[in-house]
Amino acid sequence: AQSVAQPEDQVNVAEGNPLTVKCTYSVSGNPYLFWYVQYPNRGLQFLLKYITGDNLVKGSYGFEAEFNKSQTSFHLKKPSALVSDSALYFCAVRDLTSGGYQKVTFGTGTKLQVIP
Amino acid sequence: DGGITQSPKYLFRKEGQNVTLSCEQNLNHDAMYWYRQDPGQGLRLIYYSQIVNDFQKGDIAEGYSVSREKKESFPLTVTSAQKNPTAFYLCASTQDGQGASQPQHFGDGTRLSIL
Repeated sequence: AQSVAQPEDQVNVAEGNPLTVKCTYSVSGNPYLFWYVQYPNRGLQFLLKYITGDNLVKGSYGFEAEFNKSQTSFHLKKPSALVSDSALYFCAVRDLTSGGYQKVTFGTGTKLQVIP
Repeated sequence: DGGITQSPKYLFRKEGQNVTLSCEQNLNHDAMYWYRQDPGQGLRLIYYSQIVNDFQKGDIAEGYSVSREKKESFPLTVTSAQKNPTAFYLCASTQDGQGASQPQHFGDGTRLSIL
């Protein structure tokens, strides 16, 4: 069975400082990994994904994520946080090795609060 | 612009009543999904459909039903058998049901509450 853990319910960071939102995963094979952002009363918006290749993935709005196979982690990062980055962030995983339909498993979400 | 439209945005259900949530997409995507979002629990899969006239139960299908008569439409009915329906419901789609690398596109959700 696949799983995703987001160990922090909330992350607070000052505007202009770097931010990290943590994600660890567990799959039986090779993972596809995704990050999404959700603003209040809205749907999820795709930020970035890791499929294969370079471990550092760049996405929308200046976000990037680092895939670390040995630590089974896929942390989301941004060099300089903006107040407008305040939102709920979800990590998600899909196991490549399963046949047929491959379900996406979402983490429980991390609320990012950027303080002016 | 292409996207997913969910309606209504807010819905109230009386006890013993069935209610239907609408989900329409103009992305020409084959696969569609329904998720339930509760605070602190992430998203849980209710039903999914990889192709027209076919759908499969997800992790929490009890008390829910769906249909997929048209490619662009995937309505969700919350039946009276669902005893705790209060949640935020999200519809999503991907171009290909087998495309594991594709991100999902989401609608803006329907918030369902019990009267």
